[in-house]
Amino acid sequence: QLEESGGGLVKPGGSLRLSCAASGFTFSDSYMGWIRQAPGKGLEWISYIGSGGRFMDYTDSVKGRFTISRDNAENSLFLQMNSLRVEDTAVYYCVKAEAGKIGGVWGPGTLVTVSS
Amino acid sequence: EIVMTQSPATLSVSPGKRATLSCRASQSVGTSLAWYQQRPGQAPRLLIYTATTRATGIPARFSGSGSGTEFTLTISSLQSEDSALYHCQHYHTWPLTFGGGTRVDI
Repeated sequence: QLEESGGGLVKPGGSLRLSCAASGFTFSDSYMGWIRQAPGKGLEWISYIGSGGRFMDYTDSVKGRFTISRDNAENSLFLQMNSLRVEDTAVYYCVKAEAGKIGGVWGPGTLVTVSS
Repeated sequence: EIVMTQSPATLSVSPGKRATLSCRASQSVGTSLAWYQQRPGQAPRLLIYTATTRATGIPARFSGSGSGTEFTLTISSLQSEDSALYHCQHYHTWPLTFGGGTRVDI
Protein backbone atom coordinates (compact mmCIF):
# COMPACT_ATOMS: atom_id res chain seq x y z
CA GLN A 1 0.00 0.00 0.00
CA LEU A 2 1.08 3.55 -0.69
CA GLU A 3 -0.38 6.74 0.77
CA GLU A 4 0.63 10.24 -0.34
CA SER A 5 0.34 13.39 1.74
CA GLY A 6 1.44 17.01 1.59
CA GLY A 7 -0.53 18.30 -1.36
CA GLY A 8 -2.39 21.59 -1.29
CA LEU A 9 -2.64 25.12 -2.66
CA VAL A 10 0.57 27.09 -3.18
CA LYS A 11 1.42 30.31 -4.98
CA PRO A 12 3.67 30.37 -8.04
CA GLY A 13 7.30 30.37 -6.97
CA GLY A 14 6.46 28.60 -3.73
CA SER A 15 7.54 25.23 -2.38
CA LEU A 16 5.85 22.05 -1.22
CA ARG A 17 7.08 18.70 0.08
CA LEU A 18 5.15 15.55 -0.74
CA SER A 19 5.48 12.40 1.33
CA CYS A 20 4.52 8.82 0.58
CA ALA A 21 4.17 6.17 3.29
CA ALA A 22 4.71 2.61 2.11
CA SER A 23 3.59 -0.63 3.69
CA GLY A 24 3.04 -4.26 2.77
CA PHE A 25 6.26 -4.80 0.84
CA THR A 26 10.00 -4.53 1.36
CA PHE A 27 10.42 -0.82 0.71
CA SER A 28 14.20 -0.85 0.99
CA ASP A 29 14.45 -3.32 -1.93
CA SER A 30 12.16 -1.31 -4.21
CA TYR A 31 12.66 1.35 -6.82
CA MET A 32 10.12 4.13 -6.35
CA GLY A 33 8.82 6.98 -8.45
CA TRP A 34 6.50 9.95 -8.77
CA ILE A 35 4.00 10.27 -11.61
CA ARG A 36 1.70 13.23 -12.09
CA GLN A 37 -1.50 13.90 -13.98
CA ALA A 38 -2.59 17.45 -14.78
CA PRO A 39 -6.38 18.03 -14.77
CA GLY A 40 -7.91 16.35 -17.81
CA LYS A 41 -4.48 15.36 -19.13
CA GLY A 42 -2.36 12.27 -19.48
CA LEU A 43 0.26 10.82 -17.15
CA GLU A 44 3.81 12.12 -16.78
CA TRP A 45 6.54 10.11 -15.01
CA ILE A 46 8.58 12.89 -13.43
CA SER A 47 11.15 11.09 -11.27
CA TYR A 48 12.42 7.76 -9.98
CA ILE A 49 14.88 6.72 -7.28
CA GLY A 50 16.79 3.51 -6.79
CA SER A 51 16.35 1.26 -3.80
CA GLY A 52 19.42 2.60 -1.99
CA GLY A 53 18.72 6.22 -2.86
CA ARG A 54 21.88 6.71 -4.89
CA PHE A 55 20.41 6.53 -8.38
CA MET A 56 17.71 8.95 -9.50
CA ASP A 57 16.58 10.92 -12.49
CA TYR A 58 14.06 13.57 -13.47
CA THR A 59 12.12 14.55 -16.52
CA ASP A 60 13.26 17.82 -18.08
CA SER A 61 10.16 19.72 -16.98
CA VAL A 62 11.10 19.41 -13.28
CA LYS A 63 14.89 19.01 -13.40
CA GLY A 64 16.61 21.54 -11.12
CA ARG A 65 13.38 22.35 -9.26
CA PHE A 66 12.24 19.01 -7.78
CA THR A 67 14.24 16.61 -5.60
CA ILE A 68 13.29 13.01 -4.91
CA SER A 69 14.53 11.29 -1.76
CA ARG A 70 13.70 8.37 0.50
CA ASP A 71 14.08 7.17 4.08
CA ASN A 72 14.28 3.38 4.08
CA ALA A 73 14.22 3.24 7.87
CA GLU A 74 10.83 4.98 7.82
CA ASN A 75 9.51 3.32 4.61
CA SER A 76 8.94 6.77 3.16
CA LEU A 77 9.41 8.50 -0.18
CA PHE A 78 9.56 12.26 -0.61
CA LEU A 79 9.35 14.87 -3.35
CA GLN A 80 10.62 18.35 -2.58
CA MET A 81 9.11 20.78 -5.08
CA ASN A 82 10.59 24.27 -5.38
CA SER A 83 9.96 27.19 -7.75
CA LEU A 84 6.50 25.83 -8.46
CA ARG A 85 4.71 26.92 -11.61
CA VAL A 86 1.05 27.00 -12.61
CA GLU A 87 1.76 24.12 -15.00
CA ASP A 88 2.85 21.93 -12.05
CA THR A 89 -0.80 21.75 -10.98
CA ALA A 90 -1.64 18.04 -10.98
CA VAL A 91 -2.48 14.97 -8.97
CA TYR A 92 0.82 13.46 -7.85
CA TYR A 93 1.02 9.68 -7.52
CA CYS A 94 3.63 7.73 -5.61
CA VAL A 95 4.43 4.43 -7.35
CA LYS A 96 6.39 1.28 -6.65
CA ALA A 97 8.43 0.99 -9.79
CA GLU A 98 8.69 -2.65 -10.82
CA ALA A 99 11.98 -3.29 -12.58
CA GLY A 100 12.57 0.40 -11.90
CA LYS A 101 10.29 1.40 -14.75
CA ILE A 102 6.75 0.04 -14.41
CA GLY A 103 4.07 1.46 -12.17
CA GLY A 104 3.23 -1.73 -10.30
CA VAL A 105 1.59 -0.26 -7.19
CA TRP A 106 0.03 3.22 -7.03
CA GLY A 107 -1.08 5.43 -4.19
CA PRO A 108 -4.44 7.24 -4.42
CA GLY A 109 -2.67 10.50 -5.26
CA THR A 110 -2.47 13.96 -3.74
CA LEU A 111 -3.57 17.15 -5.48
CA VAL A 112 -1.14 20.04 -5.86
CA THR A 113 -2.63 23.31 -7.05
CA VAL A 114 -0.32 26.19 -8.01
CA SER A 115 -2.28 29.39 -8.29
CA SER A 116 -2.12 33.00 -7.20
CA GLU B 1 12.26 11.49 -25.95
CA ILE B 2 10.04 8.71 -27.29
CA VAL B 3 6.55 9.96 -28.12
CA MET B 4 3.66 7.56 -27.54
CA THR B 5 0.45 8.05 -29.54
CA GLN B 6 -2.80 6.29 -28.68
CA SER B 7 -5.84 5.85 -30.89
CA PRO B 8 -8.70 6.31 -30.94
CA ALA B 9 -9.18 8.99 -28.31
CA THR B 10 -12.60 7.59 -27.43
CA LEU B 11 -14.17 4.22 -28.11
CA SER B 12 -17.85 3.41 -27.56
CA VAL B 13 -18.57 -0.29 -27.39
CA SER B 14 -21.59 -2.38 -26.41
CA PRO B 15 -21.39 -4.83 -23.49
CA GLY B 16 -20.12 -8.23 -24.57
CA LYS B 17 -18.34 -6.86 -27.63
CA ARG B 18 -14.59 -6.56 -28.28
CA ALA B 19 -12.53 -3.37 -27.96
CA THR B 20 -9.21 -2.85 -29.72
CA LEU B 21 -6.94 -0.02 -28.53
CA SER B 22 -3.79 1.05 -30.37
CA CYS B 23 -0.53 2.54 -29.16
CA ARG B 24 2.31 3.68 -31.40
CA ALA B 25 5.86 4.61 -30.39
CA SER B 26 7.93 7.19 -32.30
CA GLN B 27 10.86 4.73 -32.31
CA SER B 28 11.27 1.07 -31.44
CA VAL B 29 10.83 0.17 -27.78
CA GLY B 30 11.09 -3.59 -28.32
CA THR B 31 8.55 -5.11 -25.93
CA SER B 32 9.13 -2.54 -23.16
CA LEU B 33 5.50 -1.52 -23.12
CA ALA B 34 2.91 -1.41 -20.34
CA TRP B 35 -0.83 -0.77 -20.29
CA TYR B 36 -2.79 0.76 -17.41
CA GLN B 37 -6.48 1.13 -16.63
CA GLN B 38 -7.78 4.22 -14.83
CA ARG B 39 -11.38 4.18 -13.68
CA PRO B 40 -13.04 7.55 -12.95
CA GLY B 41 -11.77 9.10 -9.73
CA GLN B 42 -9.18 6.36 -9.19
CA ALA B 43 -5.47 5.91 -9.61
CA PRO B 44 -4.26 3.90 -12.59
CA ARG B 45 -3.61 0.19 -12.16
CA LEU B 46 -1.22 -1.99 -14.12
CA LEU B 47 -2.86 -4.31 -16.65
CA ILE B 48 -0.11 -5.54 -18.98
CA TYR B 49 3.72 -5.36 -19.06
CA THR B 50 6.38 -6.55 -21.52
CA ALA B 51 3.65 -5.89 -24.11
CA THR B 52 1.87 -9.19 -23.54
CA THR B 53 2.09 -10.30 -19.86
CA ARG B 54 -0.98 -9.76 -17.69
CA ALA B 55 -0.31 -8.35 -14.24
CA THR B 56 -1.44 -10.28 -11.16
CA GLY B 57 -5.20 -10.50 -10.85
CA ILE B 58 -6.00 -9.11 -14.29
CA PRO B 59 -8.79 -11.04 -16.05
CA ALA B 60 -7.97 -13.08 -19.13
CA ARG B 61 -10.26 -10.92 -21.28
CA PHE B 62 -7.44 -8.34 -21.33
CA SER B 63 -4.64 -9.17 -23.76
CA GLY B 64 -1.73 -7.28 -25.23
CA SER B 65 0.20 -7.74 -28.44
CA GLY B 66 2.84 -6.06 -30.56
CA SER B 67 6.49 -5.15 -30.56
CA GLY B 68 8.75 -2.46 -31.93
CA THR B 69 6.53 0.55 -32.57
CA GLU B 70 3.00 -0.88 -32.84
CA PHE B 71 1.03 -2.27 -29.88
CA THR B 72 -2.54 -3.32 -29.23
CA LEU B 73 -4.63 -3.84 -26.12
CA THR B 74 -7.66 -6.04 -26.73
CA ILE B 75 -10.55 -6.31 -24.31
CA SER B 76 -12.78 -9.20 -25.29
CA SER B 77 -16.37 -9.45 -24.08
CA LEU B 78 -16.52 -5.98 -22.50
CA GLN B 79 -18.13 -5.60 -19.10
CA SER B 80 -19.53 -2.44 -17.49
CA GLU B 81 -16.59 -2.17 -15.09
CA ASP B 82 -14.23 -1.87 -18.08
CA SER B 83 -15.42 1.70 -18.66
CA ALA B 84 -12.21 3.60 -18.04
CA LEU B 85 -9.28 5.52 -19.46
CA TYR B 86 -6.50 3.30 -20.77
CA HIS B 87 -2.88 4.44 -20.94
CA CYS B 88 0.15 2.91 -22.63
CA GLN B 89 3.69 3.59 -21.39
CA HIS B 90 7.09 2.65 -22.78
CA TYR B 91 10.00 1.87 -20.48
CA HIS B 92 12.73 1.45 -23.04
CA THR B 93 14.82 4.47 -21.97
CA TRP B 94 14.49 7.49 -19.69
CA PRO B 95 12.36 9.56 -19.81
CA LEU B 96 9.53 7.07 -19.50
CA THR B 97 6.55 8.44 -21.39
CA PHE B 98 2.84 7.72 -21.69
CA GLY B 99 0.36 8.03 -24.51
CA GLY B 100 -2.52 10.48 -24.26
CA GLY B 101 -4.99 7.75 -23.34
CA THR B 102 -8.04 6.08 -24.88
CA ARG B 103 -11.39 6.43 -23.13
CA VAL B 104 -13.60 3.35 -23.40
CA ASP B 105 -17.31 3.98 -22.90
CA ILE B 106 -19.68 1.06 -22.49
